[in-house]
Amino acid sequence: AAGVIQSPRHLIKEKRETATLKCYPIPRHDTVYWYQQGPGQDPQFLISFYEKMQSDKGSIPDRFSAQQFSDYHSELNMSSLELGDSALYFCASSPSRGNPETQYFGPGTRLLVL
Amino acid sequence: AQRVTQPEKLLSVFKGAPVELKCNYSYSGSPELFWYVQYSRQRLQLLLRHISRESIKGFTADLNKGETSFHLKKPFAQEEDSAMYYCALTETSGSRLTFGEGTQLTVNP
Repeated sequence: AAGVIQSPRHLIKEKRETATLKCYPIPRHDTVYWYQQGPGQDPQFLISFYEKMQSDKGSIPDRFSAQQFSDYHSELNMSSLELGDSALYFCASSPSRGNPETQYFGPGTRLLVL
Repeated sequence: AQRVTQPEKLLSVFKGAPVELKCNYSYSGSPELFWYVQYSRQRLQLLLRHISRESIKGFTADLNKGETSFHLKKPFAQEEDSAMYYCALTETSGSRLTFGEGTQLTVNP
C-alpha cells in the first residue's frame, strides 16, 4: 500500500538560508500534519491542514510557513534557518472519513543547519 | 493543556519475559489514546488505539480513566520488539497528537 512520502529525506543548510520540505499524503487522505522532532525529544506538533485550509497550529515559529495544495500535498517553508532548527520533520496524513483519528507517518526529513 | 508522560526512557528485558511500558496522561476531557512504535531507521507506525481494544503483535493496552493511564503490555517479549515506543493522545478525531517522551525498549536474547 502507498505510504506518506516526504522529500527530501536529508537536507543540509547554512544558517539564515531557506528550506522547503514536501509531503505527499496517502491517496484519498485530505488532512496533513507536520511535526518536529529534535534530537532525543518527542515529536512536537507544528501545523495541520484539512482540505487545503489550516486546521490547527502548534508551536511553529513565525519564520516557518506551510500550505496544502489542490492535490493535497503540503510544503513546509522554513526561512532564516537557525542551528536549533536542526531536527527530524515528520509529515502525517489521515482521511477525513473512516478512521480520521489514525495518523499515518512519513519517513521524515532530517534537516541539519550548519 | 494535555500532557503525556512516559516515566521510563529506557527499558531492558530478556526474551520471553513480560514487559510493561507505562504511560500516564493529563487531560480534562475524554482523550483518544494511542501507542506508536518506531523500529530502527523506520517511520513511526501505529501500534494500538484504545478505542479498538485490539491486540497487535501480542501487545495490549487498557485505558484506565481513574488512574489516567494507558500502559502497554506484552506477556512474552521478543527480540524483534526492540524499538522506541511512544504513547500519544488526541483531544478529538483529526486533531493534533501529543506525544510522550518515548521509551526505548531493548529485548535481550
